[in-house]
Amino acid sequence: KAGVTQTPRYLIKTRGQQVTLSCSPISGHRSVSWYQQTPGQGLQFLFEYFSETQRNKGNFPGRFSGRQFSNSRSEMNVSTLELGDSALYLCASSSFSSSYNEQFFGPGTRLTVL
Amino acid sequence: QKEVEQDPGPLSVPEGAIVSLNCTYSNSAFQYFMWYRQYSRKGPELLMYTYSSGNKEDGRFTAQVDKSSKYISLFIRDSQPSDSATYLCAMENTGNQFYFGTGTSLTVIP
Repeated sequence: KAGVTQTPRYLIKTRGQQVTLSCSPISGHRSVSWYQQTPGQGLQFLFEYFSETQRNKGNFPGRFSGRQFSNSRSEMNVSTLELGDSALYLCASSSFSSSYNEQFFGPGTRLTVL
Repeated sequence: QKEVEQDPGPLSVPEGAIVSLNCTYSNSAFQYFMWYRQYSRKGPELLMYTYSSGNKEDGRFTAQVDKSSKYISLFIRDSQPSDSATYLCAMENTGNQFYFGTGTSLTVIP
């Protein structure tokens, strides 16, 4: 099976712009989670989508939003970018097919805000 | 206080050494405890997971969970240069939310 793919891999934006990141989960996986990774804070949970519904949400401002499509692909949007939004954004998919919900991560999108 | 605390290192050891990586946590609701390995420019990959307290061994890797102390460890025996990576601990509560440590950077010197 192909792994989790994320596009684009690298992005450079300026303050005030908005950005959309895309994630394609492993085939058959219905859950997609998004994380922000920075050196100081580590991985921080943004939100999780399951069957097109947001099921969990982390403590991020409303500038961070997401959605999931019927084919389980997910997008994350950040509006009014700030310098502090520079980070690696990771998406992870899982299948919920066993008692343990293993997450499979994509390679991430490196966002730099200037 | 963060939900999960992990010493960021960096940790540098000679090849063949035993490596000990640790995390502490504050939320007693955590039930699954995981260790991920992340190579540079890659996403994290799951190494091991443990449900509740106890030990779990997989080859050169051993994970320990002590729920009474809210402390988890990962031991790597006979460390290899290919083990050089950042190691992240993670925990999951019943609400299907994952909480990660900041990661420990490990370098194994040949």
